[in-house]
Amino acid sequence: LAKTTQPISMDSYEGQEVNITCSHNNIATNDYITWYQQFPSQGPRFIIQGYKTKVTNEVASLFIPADRKSSTLSLPRVSLSDTAVYYCLVGESGTASKLTFGTGTRLQVTL
Amino acid sequence: DAGVTQSPTHLIKTRGQQVTLRCSPKSGHDTVSWYQQALGQGPQFIFQYYEEEERQRGNFPDRFSGHQFPNYSSELNVNALLLGDSALYLCASSPLGQGIPFSYYEQYFGPGTRLTVT
Repeated sequence: LAKTTQPISMDSYEGQEVNITCSHNNIATNDYITWYQQFPSQGPRFIIQGYKTKVTNEVASLFIPADRKSSTLSLPRVSLSDTAVYYCLVGESGTASKLTFGTGTRLQVTL
Repeated sequence: DAGVTQSPTHLIKTRGQQVTLRCSPKSGHDTVSWYQQALGQGPQFIFQYYEEEERQRGNFPDRFSGHQFPNYSSELNVNALLLGDSALYLCASSPLGQGIPFSYYEQYFGPGTRLTVT
């Protein structure tokens, strides 16, 4: 499984755009990149998933360069409720594979 | 549509005891995975059940065992509890049986069971 590296923590003010970058140098051809969000004492929640280029949904955007060795989760205009831990995962495709979580990035949003 | 549910919410046990945690998957899902999350760490994969059989297993000792029932619900059993077993235990469900190739299934997590071993 490809290992991921992401910042331990980030701080932002409400209303700003937040970009969290994840490094995954040994990503495999069949691997997808997925981001989860977790609030304290809750289970992780799926945010977005992509394979290459750019993916956008109602919550976030995911930017993946051509070499796929990194990815960036972009959260537009964060609010206090976006304060959470964000996990970048790289996973094998084809089955409901086990998810391998790192320590994640703790995002703190303040006024 | 009910999501993933887990019971109990909280549990306190003594070292050496045994514990059973329960999980009901999201409607339409047939695969259940269990994760252990220690304080300040990311969730760690324990095992996955599909068609009432253990399909994948993480790096956990045999004290951790599980079961899946015909209605897809699942149990996690931990024997001979250690202080280090104190954690949030998460259940996740996904629709393995849809056979979509080259797609990384989104897993839906329950709220977890907080186990404290004293």
